[in-house]
Amino acid sequence: NAGVTQTPKFQVLKTGQSMTLQCAQDMNHNSMYWYRQDPGMGLRLIYYSASEGTTDKGEVPNGYNVSRLNKREFSLRLESAAPSQTSVYFCASSVSGDGTEAFFGQGTRLTVV
Amino acid sequence: QKEVEQNSGPLSVPEGAIASLNCTYSDRGSQSFFWYRQYSGKSPELIMFIYSNGDKEDGRFTAQLNKASQYVSLLIRDSQPSDSATYLCAVSSGGYQKVTFGTGTKLQVIP
Repeated sequence: NAGVTQTPKFQVLKTGQSMTLQCAQDMNHNSMYWYRQDPGMGLRLIYYSASEGTTDKGEVPNGYNVSRLNKREFSLRLESAAPSQTSVYFCASSVSGDGTEAFFGQGTRLTVV
Repeated sequence: QKEVEQNSGPLSVPEGAIASLNCTYSDRGSQSFFWYRQYSGKSPELIMFIYSNGDKEDGRFTAQLNKASQYVSLLIRDSQPSDSATYLCAVSSGGYQKVTFGTGTKLQVIP
């Protein structure tokens, strides 16, 4: 039972570098999400995809782009990384369309220096 | 600004005791309420959800919702050291972008 799989688990970037975080789910869920988690801030929604072919901005979308490649995969791209993007990133998916009852991936710990 | 407030803790309880975790929210239009457990360095895991006023029990866990007072709580009976984690409260007023997470309460169960 893989559930939601994220890669990589850890990454260090230099300011200005770009990278893509990959996420795949094998639960046949329609909805997928990207969150970031920072100390004292809680989980904040970056982008979400209600279904294949659609994406929408969440609470903190600036500096990020997403692609819903197919029903299984939802990637998050940082075009020009900044130290403020140092965080733990979680991908999630859900059966229900309201973002709750979500299953989370194991997270990516990103440090931008 | 929609807010979900939780005491950061740590909340320390002895093994076998009842742990009571509380969460208040500001949006009276909130419809769905969730509790996630997050072990250190791991991802959140859904453990309970509740939609209606009152109590909902699942094993050792009971979620309590009082919409009039705008709070939701999680009771853990017979607390075990393995329950030591951070518990996140999540509140939804409907829609993909309308889920707000609290910052979590750290629970420590002392053997």
